[in-house]
Amino acid sequence: DAKTTQPTSMDCAEGRAANLPCNHSTISGNEYVYWYRQIHSQGPQYIIHGLKNNETNEMASLIITEDRKSSTLILPHATLRDTAVYYCIVRGLSGGSNYKLTFGKGTLLTVNP
Amino acid sequence: DTAVSQTPKYLVTQMGNDKSIKCEQNLGHDTMYWYKQDSKKFLKIMFSYNNKELIINETVPNRFSPKSPDKAHLNLHINSLELGDSAVYFCASSQEFGRAEAFFGQGTRLTVV
Repeated sequence: DAKTTQPTSMDCAEGRAANLPCNHSTISGNEYVYWYRQIHSQGPQYIIHGLKNNETNEMASLIITEDRKSSTLILPHATLRDTAVYYCIVRGLSGGSNYKLTFGKGTLLTVNP
Repeated sequence: DTAVSQTPKYLVTQMGNDKSIKCEQNLGHDTMYWYKQDSKKFLKIMFSYNNKELIINETVPNRFSPKSPDKAHLNLHINSLELGDSAVYFCASSQEFGRAEAFFGQGTRLTVV
């Protein structure tokens, strides 16, 4: 079972920032927060991950609260091609079940013109 | 060149048949996976191989048999297909076991009639 809670859907205007929240209140100290997205009829795509510091790459920024119980994925300038289901996943470093990527229902982000 | 490629993209077959889905990655990754995405869009891991060795088998019926002839290939053979096997199957790879930046293929949509 997924250890995260995300809104079912969100809308965003093209060109504006999209802020996708994720709650992971039971996250353990050695678990990372990963974000993937799945554009319609495509395979999932890795976006970003972090442990406790904020992270930024060419796709997005990840803001993790100090208590690590929630995070926000930020797409700074959303485009129509960013319309997708966004998955927030917590994952440990060790092997066994803790290692797996467990996908939940995710958030359907719709970017509107 | 596609990093993770699956064939075929679509597969329609009758109940009781045996079919295979092939997957190849040209990223030089050590670890490969099979995921299943059902009609409700839940994405679940089925198998994981590291350097041709099975490391994760998620209570998948033994009608499903993965085969890894080398670390660049992970094929999925399904015997005695059932209606409930209809789903989209995704192959993925990651650089090493324990790194969750996985690259996914485009998926194989299997329809059992």
